Amino acid sequence: ELKVEQNPLFLSMQEGKNYTIYCNYSTTSDRLYWYRQDPGKSLESLFVLLSNGAVKQEGRLMASLDTKARLSTLHITAAVHDLSATYFCAVPNKIKISNFGNEKLTFGTGTRLTIIP
Amino acid sequence: KAGVTQTPRYLIKTRGQQVTLSCSPISGHRSVSWYQQTPGQGLQFLFEYFSETQRNKGNFPGRFSGRQFSNSRSEMNVSTLELGDSALYLCASRVGSYTNTEAFFGQGTRLTVV
Repeated sequence: ELKVEQNPLFLSMQEGKNYTIYCNYSTTSDRLYWYRQDPGKSLESLFVLLSNGAVKQEGRLMASLDTKARLSTLHITAAVHDLSATYFCAVPNKIKISNFGNEKLTFGTGTRLTIIP
Repeated sequence: KAGVTQTPRYLIKTRGQQVTLSCSPISGHRSVSWYQQTPGQGLQFLFEYFSETQRNKGNFPGRFSGRQFSNSRSEMNVSTLELGDSALYLCASRVGSYTNTEAFFGQGTRLTVV
């Protein structure tokens, strides 16, 4: 059974600092997703990582994927208050039925990030 | 392009009642998945529907059921509600092909069981 672990669970950091969130998963996958969730809100897609060595950047966030190590990182550069949220990584389980595939996402536990002025 | 629409946004129900939640996927998307989010268990997969057929199911009791209509809209039903069913229920839509299709989430339905 696929397991996805994130660390840290909670992260409190000062504005302007850098930090990295880690996502480890237990079985082979060639894709990984990062989502952001604000309190009481839905999941906002941040990054779709489609292959080994994939690196994507959007503003102060950069995500990477190492499929051999089964590890993804979400790096925050020069944090600002607006980045305060909970961040989830998610790994798809692909199950092929007939000619149509389907999959389910297994989510990490989430990292609650608080940026302190 | 409209996003994933879930209704209602909030619900309060009593133990023992049943509830039906609705999800309209993005136009052209044929796959709809449902997830339950609670503080204790996190985000857990409930089931996925594609072409009106349930394709995959998570580890939830039979009280949780769903269906998908020909227009790809989906409903999930929870019967004999328990306090532990209080959660944010999220629906996600995908185009539906086998690979490399991103899931887009709706705003969710916040269910409170009292």
